[in-house]
Amino acid sequence: EDKVVQSPLSLVVHEGDTVTLNCSYEVTNFRSLLWYKQEKKAPTFLFMLTSSGIEKKSGRLSSILDKKELFSILNITATQTGDSAVYLCSNAGGTSYGKLTFGQGTILTVHP
Amino acid sequence: EAQVTQNPRYLITVTGKKLTVTCSQNMNHEYMSWYRQDPGLGLRQIYYSMNVEVTDKGDVPEGYKVSRKEKRNFPLILESPSPNQTSLYFCASSPGQGVKLFFGSGTQLSVL
Repeated sequence: EDKVVQSPLSLVVHEGDTVTLNCSYEVTNFRSLLWYKQEKKAPTFLFMLTSSGIEKKSGRLSSILDKKELFSILNITATQTGDSAVYLCSNAGGTSYGKLTFGQGTILTVHP
Repeated sequence: EAQVTQNPRYLITVTGKKLTVTCSQNMNHEYMSWYRQDPGLGLRQIYYSMNVEVTDKGDVPEGYKVSRKEKRNFPLILESPSPNQTSLYFCASSPGQGVKLFFGSGTQLSVL
């Protein structure tokens, strides 16, 4: 069975801290791993990773994939209160071509 | 504006009363999918569709039906809703499988 596990489930930090969110997966026929940010409502896309060892970067956020060890990390440096959200990791793969599996999400709270 | 439109945003109903949640996208995307989100469980895929007239089960299809008669529309049907289907539902679309999803605004469903 395909599985995506995120850790920690919840994280509370102060503005300016750096955080690392983890996503490990067990998926047959891996195709891609995607990160999303969910604030009040619908998730919004952050990164898509398909190749090992290549860092994707957008401002203070960055992500990398390790296909050998089957995990990805999302780093946020110099956190701001606007980074408070649920961060979701999803994995495309599995025995059925259209299947998508999401992790439970990490709830990040950034205090001023 | 490119978007996924989901209706209604909120729905309260009673056990056994058939309901339909509509989903429409204007981006000519081939791939569409439905998810439910429950606290602590992340997003779980209900059904997905690779193209018109092609649908398949996700991880939690029991109690739901879908159809894809036109490329832009992918309604979710609950023929006999039960209280355990109380959840936040999202429709999403993408140009293909395993790439960035565009999400609708969500439907908060309560089944009494």
